[in-house]
Amino acid sequence: EVQLVESGGGLVQPGGSLRLSCAVSGFPVSSNFLTWVRQAPRKGLEWVSIIYSGGSTYDADSVKGRFTVSRDTSKNTVYLQMNSLRGEDTAVYYCARWNYYEGTDLYYFDYWGQGTLVTVSS
Amino acid sequence: DIQLTQSPSALSASVGDRVTITCRASQSIDIYLNWYQQKPGKAPKLLIYAASRLQSGVPSRFSGSGSGTDFTLTISSLQPEDFATYYCQQSYSTVSFTFGPGTKVDFK
Repeated sequence: EVQLVESGGGLVQPGGSLRLSCAVSGFPVSSNFLTWVRQAPRKGLEWVSIIYSGGSTYDADSVKGRFTVSRDTSKNTVYLQMNSLRGEDTAVYYCARWNYYEGTDLYYFDYWGQGTLVTVSS
Repeated sequence: DIQLTQSPSALSASVGDRVTITCRASQSIDIYLNWYQQKPGKAPKLLIYAASRLQSGVPSRFSGSGSGTDFTLTISSLQPEDFATYYCQQSYSTVSFTFGPGTKVDFK
């Protein structure tokens, strides 16, 4: 059974740091694309970061230079290191797999975690 | 960057109603458009990918259509469990994973 379980959220002051974890079971993170998607309170979905199977990463402009996505293949876990946090980073952060229909270039988010809440406030 | 708009932003409907939600892209994205359903306090769930392909396990009352810049999600007969917020999302760009702003479907 596929499961993605996020942890590490909490209350942090502006300018502070936090590291989120996404523990994956059911497929290897080493051969899949894993992303972070966030949702501010009562707002829509915003893609944040992706780590590709080869290890390369890409971030949304809103977090570039402040957030870093990484993985530990031995723990089958993906991380999101968040630095220089701002009030507008307050959101539920979801870990999701970016997958494709076999033999095609049709991509989609197929598995999601339950989310972890990050609150940036003094 | 590719922008997505959805209409309406919210709608009220009754069980059994036919519901249609529209998503428009700022440029042609061929069929690279996905639809998700999200219920309060829950993660989004994939309904439709590639504009019209039903994800495994999703009821057949959900359908999608469109290509280029204009897409629709249709629920043929609204069920109580369908009251939720629906998001479109483009997969045309490989460096940006834009979502639409969402359409909330609630009880009339």
